[in-house]
Amino acid sequence: NAGVTQTPKFQVLKTGQSMTLQCAQDMNHEYMSWYRQDPGMGLRLIHYSVGAGITDQGEVPNGYNVSRSTTEDFPLRLLSAAPSQTSVYFCASSEQGYYGYTFGSGTRLTVV
Amino acid sequence: KQEVTQIPAALSVPEGENLVLNCSFTDSAIYNLQWFRQDPGKGLTSLLLIQSSQREQTSGRLNASLDKSSGRSTLYIAASQPGDSATYLCAISMNYGGSQGNLIFGKGTKLSVKP
Repeated sequence: NAGVTQTPKFQVLKTGQSMTLQCAQDMNHEYMSWYRQDPGMGLRLIHYSVGAGITDQGEVPNGYNVSRSTTEDFPLRLLSAAPSQTSVYFCASSEQGYYGYTFGSGTRLTVV
Repeated sequence: KQEVTQIPAALSVPEGENLVLNCSFTDSAIYNLQWFRQDPGKGLTSLLLIQSSQREQTSGRLNASLDKSSGRSTLYIAASQPGDSATYLCAISMNYGGSQGNLIFGKGTKLSVKP
């Protein structure tokens, strides 16, 4: 199994540009979520989904959009990139209930 | 609001030592607790998962315990090796009416094991 796959691994954007970070899982997990990791701040939840067609905001949702049209995919959209969105982004998935979360390898984003 | 604290923030030990990493939390209504390892520039690797009804889990040289009443979990690493050097993260999933919530992370303990 591939697990949780994130693309791209690295990205540099100019302020104001938009882009989509891709996340796909092949474990048929209902729960998917996006986190950002910043020095001194730890990992913080951006958006999450408990199933196809259902999404909700986490702790730091401003500047990001998500949608979940299929069980497998949960893309994260940056609408108008800002330097404050420079971070490492992680996607995670979980089977509802007992088995904990599995993380992707991350996307390192720099906004200049 | 659940808060997760990990102490110490950094730890340096000589190879071969047994060591304990600590995680404390403020709200005992947890669904489960998960310990992760993160190597520099890499993603998170799950080490151990403890359900709220369990007291401990073991995998190889690792043992994690959970005491909900005191709001504590410990990760015990036996006979540490330089390859154990990494940041260790504790994360809690809250219990929302019997359903698993999202993860709430501590800020991690950065472990360095010297040869």
